[in-house]
Amino acid sequence: DGGITQSPKYLFRKEGQNVTLSCEQNLNHDAMYWYRQDPGQGLRLIYYSQIVNDFQKGDIAEGYSVSREKKESFPLTVTSAQKNPTAFYLCASSTAGSRTDTQYFGPGTRLTVL
Amino acid sequence: AQSVAQPEDQVNVAEGNPLTVKCTYSVSGNPYLFWYVQYPNRGLQFLLKYITGDNLVKGSYGFEAEFNKSQTSFHLKKPSALVSDSALYFCAVRDLSDGGATNKLIFGTGTLLAVQP
Repeated sequence: DGGITQSPKYLFRKEGQNVTLSCEQNLNHDAMYWYRQDPGQGLRLIYYSQIVNDFQKGDIAEGYSVSREKKESFPLTVTSAQKNPTAFYLCASSTAGSRTDTQYFGPGTRLTVL
Repeated sequence: AQSVAQPEDQVNVAEGNPLTVKCTYSVSGNPYLFWYVQYPNRGLQFLLKYITGDNLVKGSYGFEAEFNKSQTSFHLKKPSALVSDSALYFCAVRDLSDGGATNKLIFGTGTLLAVQP
C-alpha cells in the first residue's frame, strides 16, 4: 500500500447524497485507476486516467465522476445516480506507456449507504 | 474477448504443504499476467508478474507462478504454506483489446486461500 493513500477508510452515505473519495499518490506515476470490489465479483474498473486533465470511462462508470487536475490526485465522486454504491473502492496507479507496468493499490475505502 | 478465470472459490491446505491457486486466461496476442494478494479490508498487494521469458516466475513472500502457454494457465504456487498466507488471491491479465493503449487489467473473481495450522 505504500505510496498511495485513500481517505476516508470508512464512509457512510445517505440516500441521495454525493460523496467524494480521495486518492493521492507520491510515486510520480502518470496513470491512475479506480476499481470497485464486490464480494464474488473481483475488481471492476470505474475510471482511469493516463495523464493530467484526461480520463476515460471504464466498464462501470455510470453514476460516478472523476477529475484529474494534479498528477498526484484522482478523486472519485459517487453520485446519487449510482443505484447500488455500497462496495469497497480501490485506487491504483502505475507508470504509463508500457503494457508491462505494474499497478499498485491503495488501502481502499469502504462505502456504505444507509 | 479477453478474460481470466479462477476456477476455485476457495482452496484449503495444511500448513507446511505445497499450495496451488489456479488461473487460466484468454487473450489475443502475448499475455501479460499478474498475481495480487488481498488481506481482509486491505488493498491489493502485488506478488509477481509474467511478461516474457522464463516460464517460472518468482515473486514476493516465497510465491512463484508457472506460465503454461499451451494450457493458457498461470497457476500460483508455494512449496510450503504458512497460516499467514491465508488471504484472497487475484489473477489478472492485461487488457490488450485496445492495443494496450490504456494498460487496463482484467481481474479474476478471486480465490480464498485457507491454510490450516
